[in-house]
Amino acid sequence: GAVVSQHPSRVICKSGTSVKIECRSLDFQATTMFWYRQFPKKSLMLMATSNEGSKATYEQGVEKDKFLINHASLTLSTLTVTSAHPEDSSFYICSAKGGRSYEQYFGPGTRLTVT
Amino acid sequence: SQQGEEDPQALSIQEGENATMNCSYKTSINNLQWYRQNSGRGLVHLILIRSNEREKHSGRLRVTLDTSKKSSSLLITASRAADTASYFCATEGNNRLAFGKGNQVVVIP
Repeated sequence: GAVVSQHPSRVICKSGTSVKIECRSLDFQATTMFWYRQFPKKSLMLMATSNEGSKATYEQGVEKDKFLINHASLTLSTLTVTSAHPEDSSFYICSAKGGRSYEQYFGPGTRLTVT
Repeated sequence: SQQGEEDPQALSIQEGENATMNCSYKTSINNLQWYRQNSGRGLVHLILIRSNEREKHSGRLRVTLDTSKKSSSLLITASRAADTASYFCATEGNNRLAFGKGNQVVVIP
């Protein structure tokens, strides 16, 4: 299957700083990328959907100014958590979808810890 | 928003036994998918069943879908220790996936 990578896999940052997480589709062009958040022992919660070259569509309750998403190319989307707080600590997972394919290919996730 | 919801249960079974998980959802769907997640890792797509299908097989996996009851089940036959993971169903609609809570399956060697 297609490969999606995320970087970094783990990051620890101090309260008030910003953290950028990258999501790359390695062997296909991702017309749509999705960002999810997952709390321990919980399910994935969709945060936003981004299409290449256009603004991301955020789910209700997700602050777009706090979670900045950029999908500048067909292989890269970034999520920036701005002014991070301890409650932003979570597992962030991206997925990518290309063309007419129904299937979303998931990245390995990024564990964010805000101290 | 759509939400696939599994029955909130953790399964602990012996290797070789079958594991069955259920999922219910609330709205109309295009398809329903099952994913697997090992602890602290990303998701792996297991199988997709379309809204006009009732049953599908893939290796040791068997998925059923009952659209009248808005429910699905995932059966893993002849379980192995390596099947230990969390399993999620997800419904697709409006070009997005809505995930259920997940079932944690532990297969004891």
